[in-house]
Amino acid sequence: DGGITQSPKYLFRKEGQNVTLSCEQNLNHDAMYWYRQDPGQGLRLIYYSQIVNDFQKGDIAEGYSVSREKKESFPLTVTSAQKNPTAFYLCATSRDVDTQYFGPGTRLTVL
Amino acid sequence: DQQVKQNSPSLSVQEGRISILNCDYTNSMFDYFLWYKKYPAEGPTFLISISSIKDKNEDGRFTVFLNKSAKHLSLHIVPSQPGDSAVYFCAASEGGTSYGKLTFGQGTILTVHP
Repeated sequence: DGGITQSPKYLFRKEGQNVTLSCEQNLNHDAMYWYRQDPGQGLRLIYYSQIVNDFQKGDIAEGYSVSREKKESFPLTVTSAQKNPTAFYLCATSRDVDTQYFGPGTRLTVL
Repeated sequence: DQQVKQNSPSLSVQEGRISILNCDYTNSMFDYFLWYKKYPAEGPTFLISISSIKDKNEDGRFTVFLNKSAKHLSLHIVPSQPGDSAVYFCAASEGGTSYGKLTFGQGTILTVHP
């Protein structure tokens, strides 16, 4: 079954804790991306990775970190430095230059 | 600075009629444009795209028009169906060193009434 999986679907975190969101793909796509969506807003790019062992900051990288040790995986860590972490987080992949395909998302709520 | 804007937060259309969703951009370096459809609590689904070398692209009920001089694109859905009710995002890419970076609009909520 091919696709992009994100886990968990819902995540709750206490203030001050780090949390890691998972994104796995078996599409053999080189590039992977993390976005966040806030109510009434579009998607904003956090980090992206074009190849294994390389990643770049997006527009709102502060308070986040990523790793790309395997082609299939691009985990996102939301650190305690992120001031407003409650949001819907979306992972995407792409094979060619521009068309990105999205996973189902993770809703993170900070209590 | 919002480089991609969808100025209509919502649109309501009768089933069977045409839905027209609009998107404006300010960055003249954008050369590839996409439309995504999104249901609540789900990831966006790719609908249709257009390169800046074209002014129209069709796929079934969906047609995207690009007017480069006006920095404007639109998505036409004909005929509209209740299942089309969702949030629609336009996105743009400038390629080159910004390979893979998409800039999204704020989204337009489309409601198609039976």
